[in-house]
Amino acid sequence: DAGVIQSPRHEVTEMGQEVTLRCKPISGHNSLFWYRQTMMRGLELLIYFNNNVPIDDSGMPEDRFSAKMPNASFSTLKIQPSEPRDSAVYFCASSLDRVEQFFGPGTRLTVL
Amino acid sequence: GQQVMQIPQYQHVQEGEDFTTYCNSSTTLSNIQWYKQRPGGHPVFLIQLVKSGEVKKQKRLTFQFGEAKKNSSLHITATQTTDVGTYFCAVLIYNQGGKLIFGQGTELSVKP
Repeated sequence: DAGVIQSPRHEVTEMGQEVTLRCKPISGHNSLFWYRQTMMRGLELLIYFNNNVPIDDSGMPEDRFSAKMPNASFSTLKIQPSEPRDSAVYFCASSLDRVEQFFGPGTRLTVL
Repeated sequence: GQQVMQIPQYQHVQEGEDFTTYCNSSTTLSNIQWYKQRPGGHPVFLIQLVKSGEVKKQKRLTFQFGEAKKNSSLHITATQTTDVGTYFCAVLIYNQGGKLIFGQGTELSVKP
């Protein structure tokens, strides 16, 4: 099993640019989660999907952030326009039956 | 909303010493999960506890869930350099589709 796959692993962009992060969950898992991790705020849940449907997006910081899950094997998190305070590591995680969550390797985003 | 407080924030030990991190809540928890994140890595699920007073062991790691289900601890006996990382407790909120609420984490460093 390849585990949760995220791309890119590193992203450096300039303020104002659009950023798209991608995630492929483990095959057969029915829940997908997007987290953001910073030194100041720790590990924050941004949004999660169950059976491709967004369940709770209350953690999404603001309208600049959006997430989609068009099918069971793919999800995106988009930031537009990006700001320096969005710099963080973004993790995607998936689970089956909502117990153990399997995290991807993360995308380290730097916004200059 | 549900919150869990984790202490200490940092712990530095000499290799061979024991280590304990604590997770506390003001409300009764239905469950508690523990994750480990190595430096530069992603969180990895260790265990889930659901029963009052439950104690589980994984080699040198001992996990406890309090009798009142308001606190939990992770104890590592005779730490090794491979134990280095951040240990997170997390609560799974079942009625919100499997949302995980993470504690702030305890960062463990081990001096050889």
